[in-house]
Amino acid sequence: SQKIEQNSEALNIQEGKTATLTCNYTNYSPAYLQWYRQDPGRGPVFLLLIRENEKEKRKERLKVTFDTTLKQSLFHITASQPADSATYLCALAPGSAAGNKLTFGGGTRVLVKP
Amino acid sequence: SQTIHQWPATLVQPVGSPLSLECTVEGTSNPNLYWYRQAAGRGLQLLFYSVGIGQISSEVPQNLSASRPQDRQFILSSKKLLLSDSGFYLCAWSPRGRETQYFGPGTRLLVL
Repeated sequence: SQKIEQNSEALNIQEGKTATLTCNYTNYSPAYLQWYRQDPGRGPVFLLLIRENEKEKRKERLKVTFDTTLKQSLFHITASQPADSATYLCALAPGSAAGNKLTFGGGTRVLVKP
Repeated sequence: SQTIHQWPATLVQPVGSPLSLECTVEGTSNPNLYWYRQAAGRGLQLLFYSVGIGQISSEVPQNLSASRPQDRQFILSSKKLLLSDSGFYLCAWSPRGRETQYFGPGTRLLVL
């Protein structure tokens, strides 16, 4: 069966450092992968999308890599700030032919300490 | 701009009671619509999605159902709630042909 794994342990990091989160998947051939941010009691908010033929995507202090051979995506937050503290979810999709249905990982909680 | 609404924000219901959660989207037309459930400390589980009025696809067998009576309205229902139905219910929409999903504020359901 399809499985998406994110580190369930919280990531504690000092302000100014780079946080790196991992998303691994098995039995899946995604057309694209997305990363979302979720604050407690709120709905997820879209951050970045990377397609299967792309290696890297950047947006401000965020960087996502996608390795379809390793079946892994890495999500980096550079120069982290306390406001970056949240849970980050990765999500995979088979493509628009399937209604762009997303399968989410369990999320990794990030805590940035001042 | 587009806005997505969900209500109620919080709901406490006894086991065996019915359920109706509503989601509406403003500022767009013909969106894809989705219902997710999130258990405490867990990821999102897709329950239903819809690509048009009256078109509902169920992802997980359960005692829940969904309906889309209007283009921008998505309703999640149950005839008899179970304890295991407790959770955080999220509605989302995406523009037709686009991949990004936009989530509503969610409904926290507690079944006692």
